[in-house]
Amino acid sequence: EVQLVQSGAEVKKPGESLRISCKASGYTFSNYWITWVRSVPEKGLEWMGRIDPSDSYINYRQSFEGHVTISADKSISTAYLEWSSLKESDTAMYYCARRAPGSYWFDSWGQGTLVTVSS
Amino acid sequence: QSALTQPASVSGSPGQSITIPCTATSSAVGNYIYYVSWYQQHPGKAPRLMIYDVNNRPSGVSNRFSGSKSDNTASLSISGLQAEDEADYYCTSYTRGGSLDVVFGGGTKLTVL
Repeated sequence: EVQLVQSGAEVKKPGESLRISCKASGYTFSNYWITWVRSVPEKGLEWMGRIDPSDSYINYRQSFEGHVTISADKSISTAYLEWSSLKESDTAMYYCARRAPGSYWFDSWGQGTLVTVSS
Repeated sequence: QSALTQPASVSGSPGQSITIPCTATSSAVGNYIYYVSWYQQHPGKAPRLMIYDVNNRPSGVSNRFSGSKSDNTASLSISGLQAEDEADYYCTSYTRGGSLDVVFGGGTKLTVL
């Protein structure tokens, strides 16, 4: 069974750093891209970027580039989303999702990680 | 404003059919409207893939859900509405616009009356 299991909810202060994770199981990690999606109430879903774990090629949405870092560790089938300096506007639910190369849909999603940034 | 436009809300009674349109508002998305997929999201839950490549259903998705497209508009149809269908629905598509790879529609809240 394909599963993406994300790390737990986080509460942080502005300016702090954070890394959340997405551990894959039930398939060959390197054969699928991992995408990160932000969900904000009343604003819907937003594509942030994606990584190809086979070669670590990354594509960021322009509005997120420089503010977040996407990475992956093939040896433990885990993808990461990282911030070096959080802002209150980063408060959101974050999802990782799997996508097959050459496809344009996400067939499996993590359960989501709620990040709350508040002073 | 998203490059994929959806109505904010639709509603229907149990047993009825509804359709949710998703219109590409730029050629960067419109040229790839045949890559539209649809996701269902219940409150507090992760999105679930319902339709991909306009009209394909993944294994396990009820055949009450179907997809179609006409010109720059893709649509999700749900027949025989059930209470459990009440959720948010999002369309997505591939895009060649700037650094974007995939763009989401703004989402449609389906209410089963």
